[in-house]
Amino acid sequence: GEEVAQTPKHLVRGEGQKAKLYCAPIKGHSYVFWYQQVLKNEFKFLISFQNENVFDETGMPKERFSAKCLPNSPCSLEIQATKLEDSAVYFCASSQFGSNSNQPQHFGDGTRLSIL
Amino acid sequence: TQLLEQSPQFLSIQEGENLTVYCNSSSVFSSLQWYRQEPGEGPVLLVTVVTGGEVKKLKRLTFQFGDARKDSSLHITAAQPGDTGLYLCAGGTSGSRLTFGEGTQLTVNP
Repeated sequence: GEEVAQTPKHLVRGEGQKAKLYCAPIKGHSYVFWYQQVLKNEFKFLISFQNENVFDETGMPKERFSAKCLPNSPCSLEIQATKLEDSAVYFCASSQFGSNSNQPQHFGDGTRLSIL
Repeated sequence: TQLLEQSPQFLSIQEGENLTVYCNSSSVFSSLQWYRQEPGEGPVLLVTVVTGGEVKKLKRLTFQFGDARKDSSLHITAAQPGDTGLYLCAGGTSGSRLTFGEGTQLTVNP
């Protein structure tokens, strides 16, 4: 598609439950990025993929967070045993050539995750 | 850890006024991207600057990248209510991850 599509738009989970978010990048884009936007508009980089391979995972919490980008499937970000502090808007972005930081990243509209 | 300090955090002005938003860092970035974000939506790219000293214009918006590629500014001339939104600067580094500033919430009053 011509836009980065993220689903669901809103996700509510009880503390301790699992949350799974999905992202379909723009067709033809090889790189996918996940960011977490918390209070005060702070964006935190989580992980990036080059096709189905992890490109940079230095922002991913070591525990509970995992992500995949499998062929012919939307990319996913999964959080196990959610905590209150996981409440945030999670954005996915894609770019055509991610290894060059000058390439624009196109963002989806995000998934708002609320942990109760 | 690379940080981008963006100022001001909030800005409320009258229609027709000019304004400048600043983005500063002690680190060098290979590129600087400016985004605008509306409530409930993702950031939308406005411009990318890559060369030290580079100036780009987008209608009433002027973007500048500092000579040392550590800072950038966004200047809006004759602001209009339609310019209201959250403006974000983001620095690009090797490995392509973006480091975002804290954002400037701009309100232009009619």
